[in-house]
Amino acid sequence: DIQMTQSPSTLSASVGDRVTITCRASQSISNWLAWYQQKPGNAPILLIYDASSLESGVPSRFSGSGSGTEFTLTISSLQPDDFATYYCQQYNSYSGTFGQGTKVELK
Amino acid sequence: QVQLVESGGGVVQPGRSLRLSCAASGFAFSNYGMHWVRQAPGKGLEWVALVSFDRTNKYYADSVKGRLTISRDNSKNTLYLQMNSLRTEDTAVYYCAKGGYSNTRKAFDVWGQGTMVTVSS
Repeated sequence: DIQMTQSPSTLSASVGDRVTITCRASQSISNWLAWYQQKPGNAPILLIYDASSLESGVPSRFSGSGSGTEFTLTISSLQPDDFATYYCQQYNSYSGTFGQGTKVELK
Repeated sequence: QVQLVESGGGVVQPGRSLRLSCAASGFAFSNYGMHWVRQAPGKGLEWVALVSFDRTNKYYADSVKGRLTISRDNSKNTLYLQMNSLRTEDTAVYYCAKGGYSNTRKAFDVWGQGTMVTVSS
């Protein structure tokens, strides 16, 4: 099975900061990677698909990059609404494995 | 609008059974693979199962294989998860999520609101 490892687990940042989250796959997944945002009590929301494509309606301050085994999610200028937990997910194989999550909190 | 609505969660004793449902609307349900994903309290997301658009293929996480069964009724636009021999570690919010068209790889672009399953004596 493909394993997904995110870092860091927690990230403390201020409004306006540039934020980067990393996700590593245990084997190559081409560009079959998604990023989700989740707030407490809510379902996840798709932000990025196919590693770098922005889902419709998602602010342009979110961007994704990478291919193969190394991927990043970048928030160019952190906004108050962005404090949440972020998950990467591979869908190269049927299992749709998620990373363990990165909580972005207020510094 | 495109919507998924789960139901059927509740409190159940270990070893008992429960069936979850996910009603889909606003899209051609019979054309898409469908998934179940769960989240234990305070934990991350765990993919549980996938059923192909035409019901011919089903895949499961090792942690639920042999106990949970995914199915769908395309005439009713409904996805199911039959949960047998439940364990305390199955306690979680269960989400249904829309997958790819036909057998294509695709991120989960639509999620339900989730239904809570608590396994406790």
